[in-house]
Amino acid sequence: QQQVKQSPQSLIVQKGGISIINCAYENTAFDYFPWYQQFPGKGPALLIAIRPDVSEKKEGRFTISFNKSAKQFSLHIMDSQPGDSATYFCAASITSGTYKYIFGTGTRLKVLA
Amino acid sequence: DTGVSQNPRHKITKRGQNVTFRCDPISEHNRLYWYRQTLGQGPEFLTYFQNEAQLEKSRLLSDRFSAERPKGSFSTLEIQRTEQGDSAMYLCASRWGASTEAFFGQGTRLTVV
Repeated sequence: QQQVKQSPQSLIVQKGGISIINCAYENTAFDYFPWYQQFPGKGPALLIAIRPDVSEKKEGRFTISFNKSAKQFSLHIMDSQPGDSATYFCAASITSGTYKYIFGTGTRLKVLA
Repeated sequence: DTGVSQNPRHKITKRGQNVTFRCDPISEHNRLYWYRQTLGQGPEFLTYFQNEAQLEKSRLLSDRFSAERPKGSFSTLEIQRTEQGDSAMYLCASRWGASTEAFFGQGTRLTVV
């Protein structure tokens, strides 16, 4: 029940295309859903996050879509660029107590020039 | 303030040896987390400190692992009698109060040979 399932494991997109990464969770107590971007040899960095009281959040080329009833959320990267090539992790947290994150298994994105 | 700092960045040790990692969180961040990330996986929660108190430990944290955060500032993670299965990236993250965003360090990559 604590798991966050992420797909696909890897993704190849042409420059200018749309990258879509999906996540699903079971624990309805989760109330904060961040996406982290990680480049090789670096720690994860927050990209964008959403609370379950909204269905969509957009920041620049990055959009989170959230479906509370389906317990699913996704990251859309519009106009994907080679610089977006990285590993993306979805996560879920309960914003009380420890606030620890439960991470998905990651999606390795490669954007072809 | 240069973010969360972790040292060393890389550590190679022989099986059976003890190792210690250090994390310096962002100033004023009272919450500190340790995560472990193995190749191709998302970070997994190990332990959580609020100020100097260790409030939660994962089942992943065997008796060979110990973490401290004296005076609520920097933290150390020690692994005793290292095993090959301990080879991983050890990530430290910090956050302030009720803020939802956790800031990650660049990690310490441990290789046990």
